[in-house]
Amino acid sequence: KAGVTQTPRYLIKTRGQQVTLSCSPISGHRSVSWYQQTPGQGLQFLFEYFSETQRNKGNFPGRFSGRQFSNSRSEMNVSTLELGDSALYLCASRPTGGRRRDTEAFFGQGTRLTVV
Amino acid sequence: AQKITQTQPGMFVQEKEAVTLDCTYDTSDQSYGLFWYKQPSSGEMIFLIYQGSYDEQNATEGRYSLNFQKARKSANLVISASQLGDSAMYFCAMRETSGGSNYKLTFGKGTLLTVNP
Repeated sequence: KAGVTQTPRYLIKTRGQQVTLSCSPISGHRSVSWYQQTPGQGLQFLFEYFSETQRNKGNFPGRFSGRQFSNSRSEMNVSTLELGDSALYLCASRPTGGRRRDTEAFFGQGTRLTVV
Repeated sequence: AQKITQTQPGMFVQEKEAVTLDCTYDTSDQSYGLFWYKQPSSGEMIFLIYQGSYDEQNATEGRYSLNFQKARKSANLVISASQLGDSAMYFCAMRETSGGSNYKLTFGKGTLLTVNP
């Protein structure tokens, strides 16, 4: 089974531009969540999607948005990029349902975004 | 709000020895899940082990075990027989589950483990 795939792996953008990152979850996983990882703030939750609906959102400005498609693939968009948006953006998917109430999230390798 | 504390920014261990990575958490929720992830330099987060707040036994997965002390709110990861490939960042994370189906992990700052030959 293929893992979580994030594209692109690396990205360099200029301040003020916008960027779209893509995430393909593990087949059959309907929950997709996004995290931002920076040296200063660590790993922070951005949002979670399930069945094309955003279920939960972290404490990020409205410049950060996302969506999920009917095939569970997800994209996140950052508009009007700032230097502080430079980070590793990680996508995770997880199966839902099943006997155990909680399940681990499976992460992709991330997209490393550099804003110059 | 939930919080995860990892007090060891870096740890060193000799190959084949055991090492314990500390994690304490803070939550007012009765139902929660605790996770440990490993992040090599490639960036991918690799799931290691899970402990539910109602699990009576400490979790074990191969060389990994979780020393869960609920009253002390600690969930330390024990790696036995360390290998050179264990060198990586290790993150403790928590999910509060009583809030329903929303899935949000709160991570600690991580511990950088270096295994020496």
